[in-house]
Amino acid sequence: KAGVTQTPRYLIKTRGQQVTLSCSPISGHRSVSWYQQTPGQGLQFLFEYFSETQRNKGNFPGRFSGRQFSNSRSEMNVSTLELGDSALYLCASSSLAGEGLEQYFGPGTRLTVT
Amino acid sequence: TQLLEQSPQFLSIQEGENLTVYCNSSSVFSSLQWYRQEPGEGPVLLVTVVTGGEVKKLKRLTFQFGDARKDSSLHITAAQTGDTGLYLCAGWHAFNDMRFGAGTRLTVKP
Repeated sequence: KAGVTQTPRYLIKTRGQQVTLSCSPISGHRSVSWYQQTPGQGLQFLFEYFSETQRNKGNFPGRFSGRQFSNSRSEMNVSTLELGDSALYLCASSSLAGEGLEQYFGPGTRLTVT
Repeated sequence: TQLLEQSPQFLSIQEGENLTVYCNSSSVFSSLQWYRQEPGEGPVLLVTVVTGGEVKKLKRLTFQFGDARKDSSLHITAAQTGDTGLYLCAGWHAFNDMRFGAGTRLTVKP
Protein backbone atom coordinates (compact mmCIF):
# COMPACT_ATOMS: atom_id res chain seq x y z
CA LYS A 1 0.00 0.00 0.00
CA ALA A 2 1.44 3.38 -0.97
CA GLY A 3 2.16 5.75 1.91
CA VAL A 4 1.16 9.34 2.46
CA THR A 5 2.54 11.63 -0.22
CA GLN A 6 3.10 15.35 0.05
CA THR A 7 3.91 17.81 -2.69
CA PRO A 8 6.01 19.74 -3.14
CA ARG A 9 8.80 18.50 -0.86
CA TYR A 10 10.58 21.84 -0.79
CA LEU A 11 9.33 25.35 -1.38
CA ILE A 12 10.81 28.84 -1.13
CA LYS A 13 8.45 31.79 -0.95
CA THR A 14 8.71 35.50 -0.20
CA ARG A 15 6.99 37.33 2.65
CA GLY A 16 3.48 38.37 1.72
CA GLN A 17 2.97 35.61 -0.83
CA GLN A 18 0.60 32.71 -0.38
CA VAL A 19 1.28 29.00 -0.69
CA THR A 20 -0.73 25.83 -1.20
CA LEU A 21 0.54 22.45 -0.04
CA SER A 22 -0.95 19.14 -1.09
CA CYS A 23 -1.38 15.82 0.72
CA SER A 24 -2.57 12.49 -0.67
CA PRO A 25 -3.52 10.07 2.11
CA ILE A 26 -3.15 6.32 2.15
CA SER A 27 -5.80 4.71 -0.03
CA GLY A 28 -8.96 4.15 2.01
CA HIS A 29 -8.05 6.67 4.70
CA ARG A 30 -10.63 9.39 5.18
CA SER A 31 -8.99 11.52 7.88
CA VAL A 32 -6.17 13.95 7.15
CA SER A 33 -4.45 16.07 9.78
CA TRP A 34 -1.93 18.84 9.24
CA TYR A 35 0.94 19.81 11.53
CA GLN A 36 3.63 22.46 11.61
CA GLN A 37 7.07 21.46 12.91
CA THR A 38 9.70 24.03 13.88
CA PRO A 39 12.85 23.74 16.00
CA GLY A 40 11.46 26.19 18.54
CA GLN A 41 7.86 25.05 18.91
CA GLY A 42 8.12 21.41 17.88
CA LEU A 43 5.12 19.71 16.29
CA GLN A 44 1.91 21.71 16.48
CA PHE A 45 -1.53 20.61 15.32
CA LEU A 46 -3.09 22.78 12.61
CA PHE A 47 -6.35 21.06 11.70
CA GLU A 48 -8.02 17.76 10.91
CA TYR A 49 -10.38 16.93 8.07
CA PHE A 50 -12.67 13.94 7.84
CA SER A 51 -15.00 13.29 4.92
CA GLU A 52 -14.45 16.82 3.58
CA THR A 53 -15.35 18.47 6.90
CA GLN A 54 -12.98 20.21 9.27
CA ARG A 55 -13.42 18.40 12.58
CA ASN A 56 -10.77 19.96 14.73
CA LYS A 57 -8.62 23.07 14.60
CA GLY A 58 -5.47 24.04 16.46
CA ASN A 59 -4.50 27.47 17.69
CA PHE A 60 -3.29 29.08 14.46
CA PRO A 61 -4.36 32.36 12.83
CA GLY A 62 -6.92 32.47 10.06
CA ARG A 63 -4.14 32.81 7.47
CA PHE A 64 -3.85 29.03 7.75
CA SER A 65 -6.70 27.20 6.05
CA GLY A 66 -7.33 23.86 4.49
CA ARG A 67 -9.79 21.74 2.65
CA GLN A 68 -10.40 18.14 1.76
CA PHE A 69 -11.74 16.77 -1.48
CA SER A 70 -14.13 13.90 -2.09
CA ASN A 71 -11.19 11.57 -2.82
CA SER A 72 -9.76 12.46 0.64
CA ARG A 73 -6.85 14.41 -0.80
CA SER A 74 -6.24 17.56 1.18
CA GLU A 75 -4.69 20.93 0.60
CA MET A 76 -3.41 23.47 3.06
CA ASN A 77 -3.13 27.15 2.24
CA VAL A 78 -1.17 29.85 4.00
CA SER A 79 -1.84 33.44 2.94
CA THR A 80 0.28 36.53 3.55
CA LEU A 81 3.34 34.52 4.48
CA GLU A 82 5.52 35.64 7.38
CA LEU A 83 9.12 34.71 8.13
CA GLY A 84 7.89 32.71 11.12
CA ASP A 85 5.90 30.43 8.82
CA SER A 86 9.14 28.78 7.74
CA ALA A 87 8.71 25.20 8.90
CA LEU A 88 8.24 21.58 7.98
CA TYR A 89 4.56 21.01 7.25
CA LEU A 90 3.46 17.44 7.83
CA CYS A 91 0.24 15.74 7.00
CA ALA A 92 -0.96 12.50 8.50
CA SER A 93 -3.73 10.20 7.41
CA SER A 94 -5.88 7.78 9.32
CA SER A 95 -8.76 5.46 8.54
CA LEU A 96 -10.73 6.89 11.45
CA ALA A 97 -11.06 10.36 12.90
CA GLY A 98 -10.41 11.80 16.30
CA GLU A 99 -8.91 10.54 19.50
CA GLY A 100 -6.99 7.31 19.54
CA LEU A 101 -6.52 7.24 15.81
CA GLU A 102 -3.32 5.76 14.42
CA GLN A 103 -1.76 8.28 12.13
CA TYR A 104 0.60 7.72 9.26
CA PHE A 105 2.74 10.72 8.41
CA GLY A 106 4.01 11.87 5.07
CA PRO A 107 7.60 13.09 4.57
CA GLY A 108 6.56 16.73 4.85
CA THR A 109 6.94 19.90 2.83
CA ARG A 110 9.85 22.11 3.87
CA LEU A 111 8.69 25.73 3.44
CA THR A 112 11.21 28.53 3.61
CA VAL A 113 9.94 32.12 3.68
CA THR A 114 12.47 34.82 2.81
CA THR B 1 5.23 25.56 28.27
CA GLN B 2 4.56 22.25 26.61
CA LEU B 3 1.57 20.24 27.77
CA LEU B 4 3.74 17.16 27.41
CA GLU B 5 7.23 17.52 28.85
CA GLN B 6 9.83 15.13 27.53
CA SER B 7 13.18 14.39 29.16
CA PRO B 8 15.97 14.30 28.49
CA GLN B 9 16.00 16.65 25.51
CA PHE B 10 19.21 15.11 24.15
CA LEU B 11 20.76 11.73 24.81
CA SER B 12 24.00 10.35 23.43
CA ILE B 13 24.97 6.80 24.32
CA GLN B 14 27.15 3.93 23.13
CA GLU B 15 25.74 0.98 21.28
CA GLY B 16 24.67 -1.73 23.73
CA GLU B 17 23.65 0.62 26.52
CA ASN B 18 20.14 0.89 27.94
CA LEU B 19 18.16 4.12 28.14
CA THR B 20 14.84 5.52 29.29
CA VAL B 21 12.96 8.51 27.90
CA TYR B 22 10.17 10.17 29.86
CA CYS B 23 6.99 11.97 28.91
CA ASN B 24 5.16 13.82 31.69
CA SER B 25 2.09 16.00 31.98
CA SER B 26 -0.12 17.55 34.62
CA SER B 27 -3.12 16.58 32.49
CA VAL B 28 -4.77 13.20 32.14
CA PHE B 29 -4.71 11.64 28.69
CA SER B 30 -6.99 8.85 27.59
CA SER B 31 -4.13 7.54 25.45
CA LEU B 32 -0.57 8.43 24.59
CA GLN B 33 1.40 7.62 21.49
CA TRP B 34 5.12 7.33 20.83
CA TYR B 35 6.68 8.18 17.49
CA ARG B 36 10.18 8.09 16.06
CA GLN B 37 11.25 10.59 13.44
CA GLU B 38 14.37 10.43 11.32
CA PRO B 39 15.87 13.39 9.45
CA GLY B 40 13.94 14.30 6.31
CA GLU B 41 11.03 12.04 7.17
CA GLY B 42 7.73 12.25 8.99
CA PRO B 43 7.19 10.64 12.41
CA VAL B 44 6.49 6.92 12.47
CA LEU B 45 4.07 5.58 15.06
CA LEU B 46 5.71 3.07 17.42
CA VAL B 47 2.93 2.35 19.90
CA THR B 48 -0.31 3.59 21.46
CA VAL B 49 -0.89 3.04 25.19
CA VAL B 50 -4.43 3.29 26.42
CA THR B 51 -4.85 1.73 29.87
CA GLY B 52 -3.31 3.18 33.04
CA GLY B 53 -0.44 0.96 34.17
CA GLU B 54 -0.20 -0.65 30.75
CA VAL B 55 3.15 -2.03 29.59
CA LYS B 56 3.78 -2.79 25.93
CA LYS B 57 6.87 -4.41 24.48
CA LEU B 58 8.06 -4.04 20.94
CA LYS B 59 11.24 -6.13 20.60
CA ARG B 60 13.87 -4.12 22.54
CA LEU B 61 11.47 -1.24 23.26
CA THR B 62 9.26 -1.22 26.37
CA PHE B 63 6.54 1.38 26.76
CA GLN B 64 4.77 2.14 30.02
CA PHE B 65 1.69 4.26 30.72
CA GLY B 66 1.43 5.66 34.23
CA ASP B 67 -1.36 4.52 36.54
CA ALA B 68 -2.83 8.03 36.57
CA ARG B 69 -2.47 8.31 32.76
CA LYS B 70 -0.42 11.50 33.09
CA ASP B 71 2.96 10.10 32.15
CA SER B 72 4.66 7.53 30.01
CA SER B 73 8.13 6.14 29.51
CA LEU B 74 10.04 4.45 26.73
CA HIS B 75 12.87 2.08 27.66
CA ILE B 76 15.30 0.78 25.05
CA THR B 77 17.44 -2.23 25.90
CA ALA B 78 20.82 -2.74 24.22
CA ALA B 79 20.52 0.29 21.95
CA GLN B 80 21.64 -0.03 18.35
CA THR B 81 22.80 2.66 15.92
CA GLY B 82 19.53 2.18 14.05
CA ASP B 83 17.67 3.49 17.11
CA THR B 84 19.08 6.95 16.47
CA GLY B 85 16.34 9.52 15.90
CA LEU B 86 13.90 11.94 17.47
CA TYR B 87 11.44 10.27 19.85
CA LEU B 88 8.14 12.06 20.32
CA CYS B 89 5.25 11.39 22.66
CA ALA B 90 1.79 12.66 21.77
CA GLY B 91 -1.74 12.61 23.11
CA TRP B 92 -5.17 14.04 22.39
CA HIS B 93 -5.97 17.06 24.53
CA ALA B 94 -9.53 18.11 25.30
CA PHE B 95 -10.68 15.81 22.48
CA ASN B 96 -10.00 18.38 19.83
CA ASP B 97 -6.29 18.59 19.16
CA MET B 98 -3.27 16.38 19.33
CA ARG B 99 -0.35 17.63 21.42
CA PHE B 100 3.23 16.55 20.96
CA GLY B 101 6.14 16.74 23.35
CA ALA B 102 9.25 18.60 22.21
CA GLY B 103 11.01 15.30 21.68
CA THR B 104 14.14 13.48 22.81
CA ARG B 105 16.94 13.42 20.29
CA LEU B 106 18.77 10.11 20.69
CA THR B 107 22.17 9.41 19.21
CA VAL B 108 23.57 5.89 19.48
CA LYS B 109 27.27 5.76 18.71
CA PRO B 110 28.96 2.60 17.39
